[in-house]
Amino acid sequence: KQEVTQIPAALSVPEGENLVLNCSFTDSAIYNLQWFRQDPGKGLTSLLLIQSSQREQTSGRLNASLDKSSGRSTLYIAASQPGDSATYLCAVKGGGFKTIFGAGTRLFVKA
Amino acid sequence: GVTQSPTHLIKTRGQQVTLRCSSQSGHNTVSWYQQALGQGPQFIFQYYREEENGRGNFPPRFSGLQFPNDSSELNVNALELDDSALYLCASSTDSGGAIHEQFFGPGTRLTVL
Repeated sequence: KQEVTQIPAALSVPEGENLVLNCSFTDSAIYNLQWFRQDPGKGLTSLLLIQSSQREQTSGRLNASLDKSSGRSTLYIAASQPGDSATYLCAVKGGGFKTIFGAGTRLFVKA
Repeated sequence: GVTQSPTHLIKTRGQQVTLRCSSQSGHNTVSWYQQALGQGPQFIFQYYREEENGRGNFPPRFSGLQFPNDSSELNVNALELDDSALYLCASSTDSGGAIHEQFFGPGTRLTVL
């Protein structure tokens, strides 16, 4: 049974800092891993998708890596801004076409 | 984009509810999720070309339909208090061996009293 864990659960950083969010999963037989952002009471915004054959993806200030063998993914955010404050979720799509989410990391960037 | 209706809904325990989703044009896969407050979304099921091809740990009173016109429904019978949550749908374009990016709607907030 796939389990997805995100560490830390919450993070508060000053504006301008570079930061790393972690996601680990127990079953390496996955199709892909996707990172999302969620603002309070809203739906999910897709940030990056990494297919199982890929090692990393980049979009602007965001970089996501995937190490299937160790069951880990990281989301790197460069030069954080107050507008980056949100909950960040990782989701793994695997066997049975099930998508399993972590509980999220709540990020607060202080101006 | 992906749209959902209604935005908010209040029901009484034991009632039935239908939530609707309009997928991004051309997407052939739709998934539904339940998100309780403070938790990550929980996978309910996925439909591919109008057939259910994946299901999470939800009882049969959660059922769905996908239509050829990019719309889909989530039906929940015999509502329980614990069904109160944000319900999200997501669509994607999957093909043989290729599973693509999911795009989410804004969600329907269901409250069961």
